[in-house]
Order: sequence, then structure tokens, then C-alpha cells
Amino acid sequence: GPKVLQIPSHQIIDMGQMVTLNCDPVSNHLYFYWYKQILGQQMEFLVNFYNGKVMEKSKLFKDQFSVERPDGSYFTLKIQPTALEDSAVYFCASSLGQNQDTQYFGPGTRLLVL
Amino acid sequence: GEQVEQLPSSLIVQEGASVLINCSYTDSASVYFPWYKQEPGKRLQFIIDIRSNMERKQTQRLTLLFDKKTKHLSLHITATQPGDSAIYFCSASLNTGYQNFYFGKGTSLTVIP
Repeated sequence: GPKVLQIPSHQIIDMGQMVTLNCDPVSNHLYFYWYKQILGQQMEFLVNFYNGKVMEKSKLFKDQFSVERPDGSYFTLKIQPTALEDSAVYFCASSLGQNQDTQYFGPGTRLLVL
Repeated sequence: GEQVEQLPSSLIVQEGASVLINCSYTDSASVYFPWYKQEPGKRLQFIIDIRSNMERKQTQRLTLLFDKKTKHLSLHITATQPGDSAIYFCSASLNTGYQNFYFGKGTSLTVIP
């Protein structure tokens, strides 16, 4: 089936640094999402993005978080500055439509903030 | 907000057995329920979904039942194989236009050959 790619697969950084997580969504998809999963806990919605704009975000999407997809390239999640509690696996997903449409997930980026 | 619970948290069965994974949600506005499977080290893979206007959906060895009144779903997997070993996630999406999925914590299934 359609594949979403994420780069890098792992990232280790020092607290306070900036990190950018990259997502290459399915080519014809229009809606993009980020989810966060802390080890041993369930995956939680962060944000969804359409037509260059954030449509909805959860309380986990702190002010230090931002997303963009410049010129149809990677859909990125930037965290600046990072905090210890940002350590988690971040999953990107994309879908063709919005309502009740299948989301396809990437393999995740494992972020460790020291 | 919406809360999704899954039971059991883990299952270990012999190959060929059938399993049942239960899922409950809290928000009656949830209308779409996709399920995903995640094998170790791999991405979430969509396996089956159901909408709130349906009661049952079946694909190959998977049967998904939905009870709107009790806010409960159950995924039945028959004739399990070692390749079915994975974590299974139930999720729920509200009918808000821009869908956000709320996930359960997952059910870890191990099928012993």
C-alpha cells in the first residue's frame, strides 16, 4: 500500500536544542498529521495540517512546536527549544481526504532529548 | 476529550486459535473507527475500519463488530497465524471535519506456532 517515509529514524539531541523531524507523505495526499507516543503509552494526536495551515492541534502541541510543508516538500515538525519531556516516538500520517478517510502512517522518528 | 480503552492488553495464543480484542470509547460523537496493526519495529498498518452507521464488517479472517449504544467495538481474528503477532490498535475519530484519531493503548498479540 501507500508508504509514508520519515527521516531520521532516530535522533538524539541535548535539551534546549532545535530539532526538525521530516515526513515524506503519500504523493497525492492532502492532509497531514503528527502523533506522539511516549514509551509504554498510547499514541496521541498533536496536529493536522491542510493547504498550508494548521487545522487543529491538541494541548500537547506546545508553543515550541511548529509545522510546515514548504512548496510540497517534506512535512516537518520543528521543536525549538526541546525539553526532556519531548522524548518520544513521533509518527507522521497522511490521508487523501479529511473525513473518515484512511490515514497512512510512517515508521516513526525516535527522539531522545538528553 | 475522547478516551479509547482496549482490553486485553496482551494475548498469547496457539496458532489456529481465534482471538477477540475489545475496544470502548467515551464520546458519542465519534463516527469512524479504524484499526491498525503494528509489527515490531514497523509502521502502523491499516487493517479494517467501521463507520457508526454500520454494525459489522468482515474482511478475510477479520470481523469487526460495532455497538453504538454501548460505545463498544470488538475485533475477532480467526485462524490466527504467527504472522498475526503484532500490537493491534483501536482508534476513534470525531465527525469534526478535520479528523483526529484517538488511540487505545494497544493489544499485544503473540501467536505461537
